[in-house]
Amino acid sequence: KQEVTQIPAALSVPEGENLVLNCSFTDSAIYNLQWFRQDPGKGLTSLLLIQSSQREQTSGRLNASLDKSSGRSTLYIAASQPGDSATYLCAVMNSGGSNYKLTFGKGTLLTVNP
Amino acid sequence: EAGVAQSPRYKIIEKRQSVAFWCNPISGHATLYWYQQILGQGPKLLIQFQNNGVVDDSQLPKDRFSAERLKGVDSTLKIQPAKLEDSAVYLCASSPRGWPQETQYFGPGTRLLVL
Repeated sequence: KQEVTQIPAALSVPEGENLVLNCSFTDSAIYNLQWFRQDPGKGLTSLLLIQSSQREQTSGRLNASLDKSSGRSTLYIAASQPGDSATYLCAVMNSGGSNYKLTFGKGTLLTVNP
Repeated sequence: EAGVAQSPRYKIIEKRQSVAFWCNPISGHATLYWYQQILGQGPKLLIQFQNNGVVDDSQLPKDRFSAERLKGVDSTLKIQPAKLEDSAVYLCASSPRGWPQETQYFGPGTRLLVL
């Protein structure tokens, strides 16, 4: 059974700081890994999707890396802004027989202070 | 392009009552997902539809939860009777074909409180 762990559970940083969120997973037989953002009272927004054959993906100030063999991913946020405050969720896609299933971590609650 | 729509946004019920949630996926998306997100946890897949057929309902508590997707578009998720531990946010998501390389698009969720 796939298990996804995110560290830290919560993080508070001053504006402008670079930061790293960590994600680990127990079953390395994944199709892809995704990072989502969740704002209070809202659904999830996909930030980055890394295919199992890729090592990293970048979007603006966000960079996600994947080390499939060690079961780890990191989300790097450069020059953090108060608008980045949200919960960041890591999810891995596995085959569940005839379908593909996402397993989520519990998330990291990020607060960026002005 | 309109996103995934869900209603109601909030619901408060007494235990043992029944409740239903509605989801309208992005137009043309064949795959629809219902997730349960308990406070402090990540979302957990309850059921996945491909058009109007069930692909995976292995984590759906079938003694009290049911879901349908008539005509392969809208979907409803029902709980009867509700228990205190059903208090959670119920998220609906959709994707074009359900392929692993696709992004899932999530609705805003329905927040359920069972008293």
